[in-house]
Amino acid sequence: QSALTQPASVSGSPGQSITISCTGASSDVGGYNYVSWYQQHPGKAPKLMIYDVSNRPSGVSNRFSGSKSGNTASLTISGLQAEDEADYYCSSYTSSSTGVFGGGTKLTVL
Amino acid sequence: EVQLVESGGGLVKPGGSLRLSCAASGFAFSSYSMNWVRQAPGKGLEWVSSISIGSSYIYYADSVKGRFTISRDNAKNSLYLQMNSLRAEDTAVYYCARFSVYSSWDYWGQGTLVTVSS
Repeated sequence: QSALTQPASVSGSPGQSITISCTGASSDVGGYNYVSWYQQHPGKAPKLMIYDVSNRPSGVSNRFSGSKSGNTASLTISGLQAEDEADYYCSSYTSSSTGVFGGGTKLTVL
Repeated sequence: EVQLVESGGGLVKPGGSLRLSCAASGFAFSSYSMNWVRQAPGKGLEWVSSISIGSSYIYYADSVKGRFTISRDNAKNSLYLQMNSLRAEDTAVYYCARFSVYSSWDYWGQGTLVTVSS
């Protein structure tokens, strides 16, 4: 149950685009199209932003998009806004039917 | 409106026990798998345990296996986590989360803080 690998931090200016990567293995990210992404503001519960690699729940801005190639999934946020500043976590279903999260990425909007 | 409300957290000594509860409302609780996810202070999310609709399939993270027990009462729309032999490293905010049909956690509670300290 090793955690997925994410960069510790990323940053961007308002209006720019950023991408956060999430690297796993063939037993999780690479083996299933069940990658999800969560946004967490300080002191708040996580919020689902992307499910099944690239799908957005109702109410989530279309500035958020997801993709996957091999064992690496990515979250892209376009048109950065101040309110996007938060921690972001990826997650994947695993072959052992357990859950696994990435270590989290702190997004700073400059 | 979907609501998940955790309770039962608090301060407990190492080796002690605690039982967390999660009261669900606003959806058909008996139709969803449920999970516990925790977050140590200043750290990332850690999946803890999951339980299927009818409690037939139960899974645990290696870090809690043998010490924690997840259960549910569909008649009471409630999820539980019995935590025994608690360690300092179990200190965290514990979230109750609904597992959606799309293999993701689509609703989360506000969390309950468990502190293990002497």
